[in-house]
Amino acid sequence: EVQLVESGGGLVQPGGSLRLSCAASGFSVSGYYMGWARQIPGKGLEWVSVIHSGGSTFYADSVKGRFTISRYTSRNTLNLQMNSLRREDTAIYYCARAYNINYYARFVYWGQGTLVTVSS
Amino acid sequence: DIQMTQSPSSLSPSVGDRVTITCQASQDISNRLNWYQHKPGKAPKLLIYDASNLETGVPSRFSGSGSGTHFTFTITSLQPEDIATYYCQHHNSLPPMYTFGQGTKLEIK
Repeated sequence: EVQLVESGGGLVQPGGSLRLSCAASGFSVSGYYMGWARQIPGKGLEWVSVIHSGGSTFYADSVKGRFTISRYTSRNTLNLQMNSLRREDTAIYYCARAYNINYYARFVYWGQGTLVTVSS
Repeated sequence: DIQMTQSPSSLSPSVGDRVTITCQASQDISNRLNWYQHKPGKAPKLLIYDASNLETGVPSRFSGSGSGTHFTFTITSLQPEDIATYYCQHHNSLPPMYTFGQGTKLEIK
């Protein structure tokens, strides 16, 4: 059974850093397209970052240069290193996995989300 | 960058109504468009992928159509459990690109 469990959210001051992790079970993170999306309070959904199975990456313009997506195959986790955090990064962050290797955008598996609050 | 314009921003239909949401791309994106449902406190749910393919397990009252720059999402007979916000989402493989529309919030009348 595919399971995704996010962790690492919390309260951080503006300018600070946070590292989100998504523990995967039932499959290997190295073999699938995986990503992070977020729901900003009162606003819509935004894809934050996606890593393709071959290693190509996508970053939203709003996080480019500040966030880094990576996979730790030994721990079977997907990570999101978030630096220089801003108040507008406050959101629920979701981890997601695509259906299979043939569908880079068919994200059918999702975690429950982890809340990141950037505030002083 | 490709811009996605989704309309309307909100709807107040009645149970049993036909609901239609449109998404316009600023340039030709072929069929590279998905539709998601998002309920408060829940993870987003993929309903339609590649413009018109119904995701496994999704009720047949949901459908999608279109290609190029104009896309349509339809619920043929609205059910109470369909109350949510719906998003179109453009995607591209090379270079990787994922962009949501602004969302359409459904509230039952």
